[in-house]
This record gives sequence, structure tokens and C-alpha cells, in this order.
Amino acid sequence: DTAVSQTPKYLVTQMGNDKSIKCEQNLGHDTMYWYKQDSKKFLKIMFSYNNKELIINETVPNRFSPKSPDKAHLNLHINSLELGDSAVYFCASSQIAGETQYFGPGTRLLVL
Amino acid sequence: TQLLEQSPQFLSIQEGENLTVYCNSSSVFSSLQWYRQEPGEGPVLLVTVVTGGEVKKLKRLTFQFGDARKDSSLHITAAQPGDTGLYLCAGARSNYKLTFGKGTLLTVNP
Repeated sequence: DTAVSQTPKYLVTQMGNDKSIKCEQNLGHDTMYWYKQDSKKFLKIMFSYNNKELIINETVPNRFSPKSPDKAHLNLHINSLELGDSAVYFCASSQIAGETQYFGPGTRLLVL
Repeated sequence: TQLLEQSPQFLSIQEGENLTVYCNSSSVFSSLQWYRQEPGEGPVLLVTVVTGGEVKKLKRLTFQFGDARKDSSLHITAAQPGDTGLYLCAGARSNYKLTFGKGTLLTVNP
């Protein structure tokens, strides 16, 4: 029983392509997040949704667009992928915004 | 601006040694969380400290929250190879955001 799941786990694609990463949580949490972890392991928040409403939107290129069809799902769509987008993207959820985060296993994105 | 400074960034020690990781900020946090991340996986919560001066113990790990709720430390006694991983501190504030430190990569050699 995976609490927070992400697909795909690995994503290798060409520059300029559009790709999506999906996230689902079965914890009944109200808040979900997307984080980006760079090669130096720095974990930085990108977006957060609370009950399908966007509550955090950091300085992220508008090529990145999150979508939350329901509170158990938060997907991330990336347009016109660039080399610098290569990183590990983590989805997380929490019962209360800003409190204990439960992370997914990550999606390793490599843009060639 | 990095709100949470973690040190050291890298730490390689022998099994049985003790170590301390520090997490410092000029900002006050409502709570501070410590996570451990193993290769190929997402971070997993170890502990949350909420009250200034609070000390929590998790087997050989001791966590302390500073009196002013601006800093925290993680002390590991008699480190074991299984403790190897990336340790992340994260501060929670009223704006829903959890701010992460840059992490301490710990390697415990047998």
C-alpha cells in the first residue's frame, strides 16, 4: 500500500518536448506539493495545492503547470523542456499545509 | 536567500563515532522537522520539534530545538552504517511553506 505514488519513476526525453508527471496519495490528506531536488540535493518547493486550490506558487517558469483534478491527485505538466529541468521531482502530501510531509519516491527527469 | 543553513554539508565517519548536525536560521519557526533521505527514495520524517528547548530522542538520535526556535541540532551516538543518508532539516512557518536546508550527506564507514 503505497502512500504517495508517482509515475513515471524515470523520464528521459529530448529538449523541447512536453511531458507530464502524475502523483496520487491515498492518505486522505488535504494538501499536496511538488518539489524539485537538484544535483546538489537541494530540495525546493515549486507548488502546493490545498483541497484543489493553489496555495503556493514559487518562482517557477510558466512552462511548469500543476493540475489537481481532486485532492488525491496532483499532476505536473512541463512544456518545452530544457536541459536545466533535469532533476528529481518529488510529490508530497500533508494533512495540514506546512506540516509533516509524506514524500513519493521521486521522478528522475533527464533532458537531453 | 537561504533561510536555513545546515552544517556540515558532508560528513564521513567510522562506525561507532558520534556526530552532530546543525541547522541554523535567523528566522523563527513554528516547528522544525528532520528528515532522512536514502539514495533513490524520497525523504522520510524522523521527528518534529515544536517547543523552544525541546529535546526528543529516537534510539541513538537526539534532536534539540533551540530556545528561540531558530535553530536545531541532531546528534547521533555510536553511528552505524545504516545511518548513512542525507539528513534534511525543514522549518515550518505560518505561510504553509516548509523551507528545507541544503542537507548533510552522512557516510558511516564499517
